[in-house]
Amino acid sequence: SAVISQKPSRDICQRGTSLTIQCQVDSQVTMMFWYRQQPGQSLTLIATANQGSEATYESGFVIDKFPISRPNLTFSTLTVSNMSPEDSSIYLCSVRPGTANEKLFFGSGTQLSVL
Amino acid sequence: DAKTTQPPSMDCAEGRAANLPCNHSTISGNEYVYWYRQIHSQGPQYIIHGLKNNETNEMASLIITEDRKSSTLILPHATLRDTAVYYCIAAQKLVFGQGTRLTINP
Repeated sequence: SAVISQKPSRDICQRGTSLTIQCQVDSQVTMMFWYRQQPGQSLTLIATANQGSEATYESGFVIDKFPISRPNLTFSTLTVSNMSPEDSSIYLCSVRPGTANEKLFFGSGTQLSVL
Repeated sequence: DAKTTQPPSMDCAEGRAANLPCNHSTISGNEYVYWYRQIHSQGPQYIIHGLKNNETNEMASLIITEDRKSSTLILPHATLRDTAVYYCIAAQKLVFGQGTRLTINP
């Protein structure tokens, strides 16, 4: 299993600012992912955080808006840049500890509100 | 990644078995079927997964048809705390659909 600590748990931000969300895992994991969940919607995969290289983004998400870092096998950050009210969502970190078919574990999420 | 289809909502009486269906007719041979649930705005909780054999754990049972085009998640004795949105996913890349909102009624 994997225990995920995600910070901050919630924040209220002003339009045009940026917020960096941290994801810390208690053990080394193979894969880390970032999801977004807009109000009343399902989860949408933003990107796969790759250790030591650029993240792999899903369609509709770009590095300039959502820069991601993954300096090692236990830590990743997601930045939401130049925020607008449409960015108000829950952002979730998830990890896959081992093989490609192993289950994902999720953090408790960051509730972001943009005014 | 296989597309999944689930009913948008279901109701079940407390104490009864809740059977949640999922269609994944385009699933490929090496893609697992995963089930997660999400209570309110918490992070999704893993329930169970399988490839082609039926699986059972302390939370639920997973029945996968022989052709692997559909599956059923069974919560054997549903409680009020099982009220949640249940997601069926058929892929290595866990792309979530809209899920089934299951309501357990007293």
